[in-house]
Amino acid sequence: GQNIDQPTEMTATEGAIVQINCTYQTSGFNGLFWYQQHAGEAPTFLSYNVLDGLEEKGRFSSFLSRSKGYSYLLLKELQMKDSASYLCAVIDSNYQLIWGAGTKLIIKP
Amino acid sequence: DVKVTQSSRYLVKRTGEKVFLECVQDMDHENMFWYRQDPGLGLRLIYFSYDVKMKEKGDIPEGYSVSREKKERFSLILESASTNQTSMYLCASSLDGREVNEQFFGPGTRLTVL
Repeated sequence: GQNIDQPTEMTATEGAIVQINCTYQTSGFNGLFWYQQHAGEAPTFLSYNVLDGLEEKGRFSSFLSRSKGYSYLLLKELQMKDSASYLCAVIDSNYQLIWGAGTKLIIKP
Repeated sequence: DVKVTQSSRYLVKRTGEKVFLECVQDMDHENMFWYRQDPGLGLRLIYFSYDVKMKEKGDIPEGYSVSREKKERFSLILESASTNQTSMYLCASSLDGREVNEQFFGPGTRLTVL
């Protein structure tokens, strides 16, 4: 079967750095998305990785290792508004999106 | 600016009622999707469509049907609502056929079936 694993919940401090991990086992791989979802709102696109390595976009970076079936989202200089759920999703060989259950990130002052 | 709208943010229905959830996108996207989102389960795909009048079953189509008569509109229908269909329903759209494109989501409809 296809599976995406993320931690259910993480807590971090304002101003700090946090890394949210995602591991996957899917039938084929055509890329990996990270989305952010604030409570009661729609998911919004953060990043897309298809090649190994680190993609940096401001305070947010996303890393991919295809051989390990592993990605992480790195958030720097955390702000209170970063409190949200972070969803990892993998595109399989049929170009279907397989979603993880999401990681709820709680930021404390 | 990209926009996906859904007809209701909150909806309360009774068991056995027929329920229509409407989704409209203004980006001329080819693909449209209906998901449900439940705590601890992530997003689960109900149905999707790559073109007008075209529909494909997702992972959990039982108890649902869809309609796509116009490119911009994708409707989800619960023929006879049941309590286990209480959930958050999210519509999404993306640009083109079977290529890799980010999905844009509507605000969601929180449906409660009593």
